[in-house]
Amino acid sequence: QKEVEQNSGPLSVPEGAIASLNCTYSDRGSQSFFWYRQYSGKSPELIMFIYSNGDKEDGRFTAQLNKASQYVSLLIRDSQPSDSATYLCAVNQGSSNTGKLIFGQGTTLQVKP
Amino acid sequence: EAQVTQNPRYLITVTGKKLTVTCSQNMNHEYMSWYRQDPGLGLRQIYYSMNVEVTDKGDVPEGYKVSRKEKRNFPLILESPSPNQTSLYFCASSLSGTPLYGYTFGSGTRLTVV
Repeated sequence: QKEVEQNSGPLSVPEGAIASLNCTYSDRGSQSFFWYRQYSGKSPELIMFIYSNGDKEDGRFTAQLNKASQYVSLLIRDSQPSDSATYLCAVNQGSSNTGKLIFGQGTTLQVKP
Repeated sequence: EAQVTQNPRYLITVTGKKLTVTCSQNMNHEYMSWYRQDPGLGLRQIYYSMNVEVTDKGDVPEGYKVSRKEKRNFPLILESPSPNQTSLYFCASSLSGTPLYGYTFGSGTRLTVV
């Protein structure tokens, strides 16, 4: 089992729709969860972080965390073509104190005009 | 502007020729790390540093060296590059090594070893 798992996609949604990206993780000791957006050939950019169970909203983005199910998701409302990118889920390695983030392989999102 | 600066952006080199990829951050971050990104394998940590003079191996350290003599700089050294080190490399920094903070990434270095 991979430490952080994401469906590689591509996930295709029409412009204006809600895009739902999912991530599961294996380390029950993980405390911090991050979503990064990466455009092709560019570096990852932090767009959301969440530490507590429940939802966290920032503009069109909502992160959802369920520690009991070891599940974190990212919802993008009113999806725009500019949201087309790969979304990386990252989780801190709870079993150590090294500051290490473990990344999923990413989900490619395509927003069609 | 707060940033992590990597150089060079692109590099083509030959097997066995020592090279250094530089990384510098201007945010007074304690924690710095190097990752490589490969298709199908995602981002994998090479080395990290919790603070000046404190470095440790990540998941794929073989063939790499690092040093942290100053807080702002964290160069990645390939003493004898091989073709399997062809990859996209990212330097990242964080305020500290505690779980609360995410990384700020540099722009990346695309390395090709022939």
